[in-house]
Amino acid sequence: NAGVTQTPKFQVLKTGQSMTLQCAQDMNHNSMYWYRQDPGMGLRLIYYSASEGTTDKGEVPNGYNVSRLNKREFSLRLESAAPSQTSVYFCASSEATGVRYGYTFGSGTRLTVV
Amino acid sequence: KQEVTQIPAALSVPEGENLVLNCSFTDSAIYNLQWFRQDPGKGLTSLLLIQSSQREQTSGRLNASLDKSSGRSTLYIAASQPGDSATYLCAVRGEYNFNKFYFGSGTKLNVKP
Repeated sequence: NAGVTQTPKFQVLKTGQSMTLQCAQDMNHNSMYWYRQDPGMGLRLIYYSASEGTTDKGEVPNGYNVSRLNKREFSLRLESAAPSQTSVYFCASSEATGVRYGYTFGSGTRLTVV
Repeated sequence: KQEVTQIPAALSVPEGENLVLNCSFTDSAIYNLQWFRQDPGKGLTSLLLIQSSQREQTSGRLNASLDKSSGRSTLYIAASQPGDSATYLCAVRGEYNFNKFYFGSGTKLNVKP
């Protein structure tokens, strides 16, 4: 099925550990995004990639890095996890050049940092 | 900075009722507005997308309207069902920065059998 695939679905990390969240889309979309969702704070943009080879900071980039590996894949890395990064992370993609389209979201990664 | 507000934060209605969810935004320079549904522990599912030039979009029992000049959108759900219980979010896409979507905090809907 066409869509956005995120791995892993669940992860528990100890403070200071690192990990990479993976995201891949098979819709040939140019733009990809990483959001975090926290209770009472809604969805907040961490980083986005408007096209292959470019990345830009969103609202809450501190503590994260991203890589747009190719048109399909956009990864999010936590270099040294902190309890404040406990959240649900969503990857999304969009055909930005055809701006009449909206977002397609992955099913999320639930991350707990202890 | 664009701010998106959804009222009410939570809503509980009996099955069969027609209902309206509200979304307001502070900057009318938007390209489009999208309504999503999120079930507990799940991702976001797109329901309707309205371009800034449109007034409304319909899909089955759902109708979304957009009044760009007043910064408002509504999602109308007809003949609500328990299966409609979920959190509904709206997001606006900026007219001048296509890569910025701004989300509301959502309305949590509970439809009682």
